Amino acid sequence: AQSVTQLDSHVSVSEGTPVLLRCNYSSSYSPSLFWYVQHPNKGLQLLLKYTSAATLVKGINGFEAEFKKSETSFHLTKPSAHMSDAAEYFCAMGNSGYALNFGKGTSLLVTP
Amino acid sequence: GAGVSQSPRYKVAKRGQDVALRCDPISGHVSLFWYQQALGQGPEFLTYFQNEAQLDKSGLPSDRFFAERPEGSVSTLKIQRTQQEDSAVYLCASSSRLAANTGELFFGEGSRLTVL
Repeated sequence: AQSVTQLDSHVSVSEGTPVLLRCNYSSSYSPSLFWYVQHPNKGLQLLLKYTSAATLVKGINGFEAEFKKSETSFHLTKPSAHMSDAAEYFCAMGNSGYALNFGKGTSLLVTP
Repeated sequence: GAGVSQSPRYKVAKRGQDVALRCDPISGHVSLFWYQQALGQGPEFLTYFQNEAQLDKSGLPSDRFFAERPEGSVSTLKIQRTQQEDSAVYLCASSSRLAANTGELFFGEGSRLTVL
């Protein structure tokens, strides 16, 4: 079955420290993978996407993610967290149809 | 603005009422998606339109849910005889590509439905 699992429902970091949000996927073919961010009462915004080109993908606002086929992972990282990064983050996978399958989300809290 | 616009932003309905949620996609976007996001969950796919054609409605949870996009632009999601389990945020997204996995989805801010 095609699925996306976000391993942490909540992550808390201090401002200026690295961020790691974990995502594993299950797919019978080479998937397209995405990270979206959702700020409170706002729509989801695309951070970055992997579509079988370079395995290290750079996105907006200093985020990047690495596709690791051997580990079936697509973890999101940022070297230094900013207060404005506090939001809900969703990993998503393109399936064989038209739509994206989303994970349940990881809530990122950034403390001063 | 030039983004995806949804209305109403908030809707409170009594159980059994019918509701209609509207989505104005980005002009020229051929693909339109509806998602349902329950509290604390990720978005769940409901249905997909390519222009005016509804190509996938496999995510609609029951025959009380109906969506249309008659002229290939504005879309309406209708829920008949609402139930408490229908309480959620309904997200609309559009894309210039024919499938979500090839391009960016642009999401609206959602319509939050509360059924009492």
